[in-house]
Amino acid sequence: GQQLNQSPQSMFIQEGEDVSMNCTSSSIFNTWLWYKQDPGEGPVLLIALYKAGELTSNGRLTAQFGITRKDSFLNISASIPSDVGIYFCAGFLSNNAGNMLTFGGGTRLMVKP
Amino acid sequence: DGGITQSPKYLFRKEGQNVTLSCEQNLNHDAMYWYRQDPGQGLRLIYYSQIVNDFQKGDIAEGYSVSREKKESFPLTVTSAQKNPTAFYLCASSSRPYQPQHFGDGTRLSIL
Repeated sequence: GQQLNQSPQSMFIQEGEDVSMNCTSSSIFNTWLWYKQDPGEGPVLLIALYKAGELTSNGRLTAQFGITRKDSFLNISASIPSDVGIYFCAGFLSNNAGNMLTFGGGTRLMVKP
Repeated sequence: DGGITQSPKYLFRKEGQNVTLSCEQNLNHDAMYWYRQDPGQGLRLIYYSQIVNDFQKGDIAEGYSVSREKKESFPLTVTSAQKNPTAFYLCASSSRPYQPQHFGDGTRLSIL
């Protein structure tokens, strides 16, 4: 079953605002990934994090691998209308012998121009 | 361009019919995956394959079957045993296990 709690489930913000979303788990992860999915398309990888404490940016996006290895957050600065979509966190559990990626339930972002 | 190609984009299934969804990648990736996504939901793993001629069941394999006869191809068959097949199906691949997965654009399956 799903072991990643992603919040918030949805956000409706004004263009230009900053956005923050996060994923938490009771389990330890070795890798954290953040994806964005546009309607009717497949998820696109935004950022990959491999070490506890790692902070990585991709344009207006910044993500961090939590020190405890049980959480990660994604920030979007100065949001624009094309940021609309569903953002998923995902990770590989440290005890995962089966190579399976665990996904959060997604955060639906809506931006008002 | 390198990437993952899923076809068709839309597919309709009649009751009692098997249908096969295509997934092809030219990224030379070893591992391939199939996920199911229901409206407003996250992704659930159906099957995955780490090497040619080998595949493993994911969380929701019942009513589905796969094959991996070639490195670049990982077709998914939705059988008549899958009683609720309406969903968005996503194929992904990664260079090796435990590497980030890259997704195709999906196939939307509906029941006639």
